[in-house]
Amino acid sequence: QSVLTQPPSVSGAPGQRVTISCTGTSSNLGATYDVHWYQQVPGTAPKLLIYRNIIRPSGVPGRFSGSRSGTSASLAITGLQAEDEADYYCHSYDDTLSGSVFGGGTKVTV
Amino acid sequence: EVQLLESGGGLGPPGGSLRLSCAGSGFGMYAYDMTWVRQAPGKGLEWVSTVRGSDETTYYEDSVKGRFTISIDNSKNEMYLEMNSLGVDDTAVYYCAKFGSSRGHHDALDFWGHGATVTVS
Repeated sequence: QSVLTQPPSVSGAPGQRVTISCTGTSSNLGATYDVHWYQQVPGTAPKLLIYRNIIRPSGVPGRFSGSRSGTSASLAITGLQAEDEADYYCHSYDDTLSGSVFGGGTKVTV
Repeated sequence: EVQLLESGGGLGPPGGSLRLSCAGSGFGMYAYDMTWVRQAPGKGLEWVSTVRGSDETTYYEDSVKGRFTISIDNSKNEMYLEMNSLGVDDTAVYYCAKFGSSRGHHDALDFWGHGATVTVS
């Protein structure tokens, strides 16, 4: 049972928009800690996709965007492409655990 | 260019010990918080432990407290994870990762190693 809650899977046709939610609690997202998002292609290491809720690292396509409201956050992928098929994880800090917490991951199918 | 390279994974018996190493290049670990994250087969990411490079303060996930020890050698720019009393639930790929600047272990993990496989059987 992950501390942050994500849907197990989402799917969409090429070109469509999909969103992935990440819901936390008062000791992590509710305590205003930032949320970060990672993309993981099976068999490879996670890659930072969005940090501090809304910022894209250099090299990440503009079709990826993040948003944040209270104890929830979302990752949106617009103009879905076949190469976006991967697992996506949200990540934050938790006061009670004094460490990182992750969502359970969401598999995106195109 | 920042790079992280894990080593030391392998097969160990239940109750046994293994030691993982993470060699960093392109940055100095003394200036960052560093962490180990693991991923059991077919499962999601799980935080294991964090060490602050500047003063070696350590943090542990509850299930590994008292069994795992994280450390850092800034002279070698390496981080370690000593794992004792291993159980089958510790079977996973272990990634070392670096936190981004300024916010320490509240920040994102901006660089990851390729992972080291630990199998307890």
